[in-house]
Amino acid sequence: RKEVEQDPGPFNVPEGATVAFNCTYSNSASQSFFWYRQDCRKEPKLLMSVYSSGNEDGRFTAQLNRASQYISLLIRDSKLSDSATYLCVVNSYSSASKIIFGSGTRLSIRP
Amino acid sequence: GAVVSQHPSWVICKSGTSVKIECRSLDFQATTMFWYRQFPKQSLMLMATSNEGSKATYEQGVEKDKFLINHASLTLSTLTVTSAHPEDSSFYICSASSSEAYNEQFFGPGTRLTVL
Repeated sequence: RKEVEQDPGPFNVPEGATVAFNCTYSNSASQSFFWYRQDCRKEPKLLMSVYSSGNEDGRFTAQLNRASQYISLLIRDSKLSDSATYLCVVNSYSSASKIIFGSGTRLSIRP
Repeated sequence: GAVVSQHPSWVICKSGTSVKIECRSLDFQATTMFWYRQFPKQSLMLMATSNEGSKATYEQGVEKDKFLINHASLTLSTLTVTSAHPEDSSFYICSASSSEAYNEQFFGPGTRLTVL
């Protein structure tokens, strides 16, 4: 089983739709969680951190469920510019800090 | 936000040659730098973690003698792919974090390596 798993997609949704992705992680000792966005052939860029209480940044909402070991990302009123691959990132502070990237979920917004 | 640069942005080389990739933090001191590799349509795979002034910690399956990492200063880390072969062709990305913001990594723009 992969340490961090994501649905690869692609998710193809119309502009203005609401879309949600989930990401599951296997290490219960994981302590930090992030969503990154990666455009084609570019480096990943931090979209938002994920806090235990859930957090919102404009149209984006991230949530963490420690009991079920998953994090989610919700995008409301999607824009064409939201088309990208969204990477779930988990950081485990065990004996050595371990940063694991999920394989990414591809999102395509159509006009 | 913090800026990380990489050089070169792309390189084409013959099989058997060595290639050096530089990663620089331009406006902050990077106590830790990470090197990733990304094959087409796959996620980033962490290759190694390096702390300034100490030996890099390599992930399982990554040959330390083939991928030489030097983190000699708080603003520069280098990755040298020795005796490169076509299967080493990939997108190599570095990231850096500071002691004040260890949780956040700032990524370089990546280096696309093609080995003929």
